[in-house]
Amino acid sequence: DIVLMQSPSTLSLSPGEDATLSCRTSESIYSSYLAWYQQKPGQAPRLLIYGASIRATGIPDRFSGSGSGTHFTLTINRLEPEDFAMYYCQQYDRSPRYVFGQGTKLQIK
Amino acid sequence: QVELQQWGAGLLKPLETLSLSCAVSGGSFSGYQWTWIRQSPEKGLEWIGEISDTGKANYNPSLQSRVIMSIDTSKNQFSLNLNSVTAADTAVYYCARGPRCSSSSCYFRFAYWGPGTQVTVSS
Repeated sequence: DIVLMQSPSTLSLSPGEDATLSCRTSESIYSSYLAWYQQKPGQAPRLLIYGASIRATGIPDRFSGSGSGTHFTLTINRLEPEDFAMYYCQQYDRSPRYVFGQGTKLQIK
Repeated sequence: QVELQQWGAGLLKPLETLSLSCAVSGGSFSGYQWTWIRQSPEKGLEWIGEISDTGKANYNPSLQSRVIMSIDTSKNQFSLNLNSVTAADTAVYYCARGPRCSSSSCYFRFAYWGPGTQVTVSS
């Protein structure tokens, strides 16, 4: 089974700064297999990025995704107060069909 | 605007059966993979399984022996049954809309989610 490793586990930044979140897979995957989600306390995850780099509907352009193969990155430019949350990457696999990373907590410094 | 509403019992005793349902409104029901995902502090986000509008289901191998999903296309609803629950099944359970794939492309993502149902297993 593919393993997803997100880093860092916690990222402390100030509003206005840029955030870079990493997601590494144990095997090379197609970009169409990779998505990113944001989750705030008490809420369901919200799709941010799919296909590794395609912003979902309604997602601000300060969110961007990049990467290929085994290393993918979510970048958030000019952090807004509402961006401080948990972030998860997700990939498609043969079995089980979907695996999620353990998450990165983006907190206010 | 696609919306998923979910409901079901939130408190179960060990060995009982977890039953949740999810109703979809505001969008097409056909062609998508309708999915259940759960989240616990111990395991994080865990994919439980998916079912298509044709009734074809795929389950997580770790849960396959205890899971049954069903779908009612006349009501735009799908359901999850998980039997013989234990404390390890305590989690927030989400229904979600998975991908609709064409013969040439597929983006594997969950674009819409239900609000979640807290399920607690305790004697």
